Formats: sequence, structure tokens, C-alpha cells
Amino acid sequence: GENVEQHPSTLSVQEGDSAVIKCTYSDSASNYFPWYKQELGKRPQLIIDIRSNVGEKKDQRIAVTLNKTAKHFSLHITETQPEDSAVYFCAAREGGGNKLTFGTGTQLKVEL
Amino acid sequence: NAGVMQNPRHLVRRRGQEARLRCSPMKGHSHVYWYRQLPEEGLKFMVYLQKENIIDESGMPKERFSAEFPKEGPSILRIQQVVRGDSAAYFCASSPTSISMNTEAFFGQGTRLTVV
Repeated sequence: GENVEQHPSTLSVQEGDSAVIKCTYSDSASNYFPWYKQELGKRPQLIIDIRSNVGEKKDQRIAVTLNKTAKHFSLHITETQPEDSAVYFCAAREGGGNKLTFGTGTQLKVEL
Repeated sequence: NAGVMQNPRHLVRRRGQEARLRCSPMKGHSHVYWYRQLPEEGLKFMVYLQKENIIDESGMPKERFSAEFPKEGPSILRIQQVVRGDSAAYFCASSPTSISMNTEAFFGQGTRLTVV
């Protein structure tokens, strides 16, 4: 089955700086890669996703890149703000399958 | 649209009791997924159901755990004879079609089970 590794587990940045979170996956057939943000005690919420036919996707301050050859994808947050502080999870869905395999999460802290 | 509704939000059970967790998917959604989140960890897939059918239960423990999604009413995740290791947050997600068709899954607020 699919295995997703996520780094770093914690990340502290100064407000206004950029944050980068990286994930690798094992199943070359995986074709859908969402990123979820989870604030303390709340539900995971989709913030951006990318499909295997695309190398990069951007939505305002958030971007995701995908390298299928290397089997890794990254989340980039620019101009970070305190409200970006949360746990971020990457996930991968096996090709033709239904379940999302999640990474272990990155605790992002944006400091003033 | 009220979103995915889970209840209860918090559930305390003594060891050996049964826990029943409920999930009402978003209106128009017929696919439900259950995930378990242990403290400081990611979300682990448990089971995928459609109305009246279990499609994939590869993440479900072989004993004590069961899930259903009846024709009428919410999906139920049932844990019999709970043990302290069952303490976790259990999240339900729903989608209008199978997510293998590139459809986003929406998560509920979760049920935090504490076994004492």
C-alpha cells in the first residue's frame, strides 16, 4: 500500500517569511495529492490539491508542486501570517483507489 | 448545507463498554470514510462505505470494530469492549461520488473518544 512521509514535523517561521513542507510517497500510481490544514480541536480542511497531470498549482499565498519522477510534493506558503499557524497534513490517493493516505503532519508556528 | 455532522463531539467510556460514533454526511453525499487520529499523529484510514455497503475496510481492526451506513440514517462506527488504546479522535468524511473520481472529501468535526 501507499506510504507517505512528511517533513519537518515542526516548523517555526517569522511572520512574513515563507514556509515549505515536503512529502514523499511510495506508490507511483498515486494520482491525487491534497493538503489539509487542521487547527487545534477542529476538523481537517482542504486548502489546496494537485493532480498527477499538473506540476504546480497556486492559490494566492499557497502553492503546491509535484515531482512525479522523484515521487515528492511540497506545500509552499508565502508571506506567512499568525493565522497560518496550524497542523498541515499532506495526503496521497492510490490510482483508482478511494482512500487517502496521510502524512504524520507538520506543526507550523508563525511567530510575530 | 450543514456540512458533515458527527456526534457526539466528546465521548467518555469505561473499559469494556461499547462506543457508538455517528456521522451524517453532507446532503447529497453517499460515500463515507472513517479515519482515526491518535494524539500527535496523522489520520489513519479505517473504512469506506457507500449506502448499505462496505467498500473497503482494510484499515479496520479485525476485532471489536464495525461500521455500517444504512439506507436511512447516519453512518455508525461501533467499538465493542473499548480499551484505553482506543482513545483517539475519530473523523468521518463524505463525498458525493467516490474520491477515486477526483472529488474532494469533506471532514466532520470529529468525535473525541476517551476510555477511562
